[in-house]
Amino acid sequence: EDKVVQSPLSLVVHEGDTVTLNCSYEVTNFRSLLWYKQEKKAPTFLFMLTSSGIEKKSGRLSSILDKKELFSILNITATQTGDSAVYLCAVFTGTASKLTFGTGTRLQVTL
Amino acid sequence: EAGVTQSPTHLIKTRGQQATLRCSPISGHTSVYWYQQALGLGLQFLLWYDEGEERNRGNFPPRFSGRQFPNYSSELNVNALELEDSALYLCASSLATSGRYDTQYFGPGTRLTVL
Repeated sequence: EDKVVQSPLSLVVHEGDTVTLNCSYEVTNFRSLLWYKQEKKAPTFLFMLTSSGIEKKSGRLSSILDKKELFSILNITATQTGDSAVYLCAVFTGTASKLTFGTGTRLQVTL
Repeated sequence: EAGVTQSPTHLIKTRGQQATLRCSPISGHTSVYWYQQALGLGLQFLLWYDEGEERNRGNFPPRFSGRQFPNYSSELNVNALELEDSALYLCASSLATSGRYDTQYFGPGTRLTVL
């Protein structure tokens, strides 16, 4: 059975800190890995990673995939209170076009 | 560009009743996916519709069913509701068809409460 594991489960940091969120996976027929941010309800898309070692960057957020070691990290630098959310990692596998999600990392950024 | 929309926002039902949830995809997207997010659990894949056909389903009983209409909107039906069906139901859409892996964009969800 496909499995996606995120760590830590939750994290509290001060504004301005840098955080690293982890996602490891054990799946058959890996296609791509996606990161989403979920604040209230709708997860919003952050990154899709397909190739190993290529960093995707958007403002203060960046992510990289290691297909050999089967994990990805999401970095957030200079955190702000608006970064408080649950960050979800998901993996596309096979030809099913379904995403297998991890349970998420809850990030709280305090003043 | 309008995003994925879902209705209703909240739905309260009692055990044994049926629930119908609706989803309209982003314009131009042909694939619709349904996920269940129960409290404390990650998103669990329910169903995938593309071009009006069910393409894949997750590990859920047959009382979870749905359909996709010619305009690509979709309905999720849950029959014989049980207490553990209480969850946030999220719909996503993408351009994906079989063999392609395009990003899925999510709607705001329907919160279903079963009493």
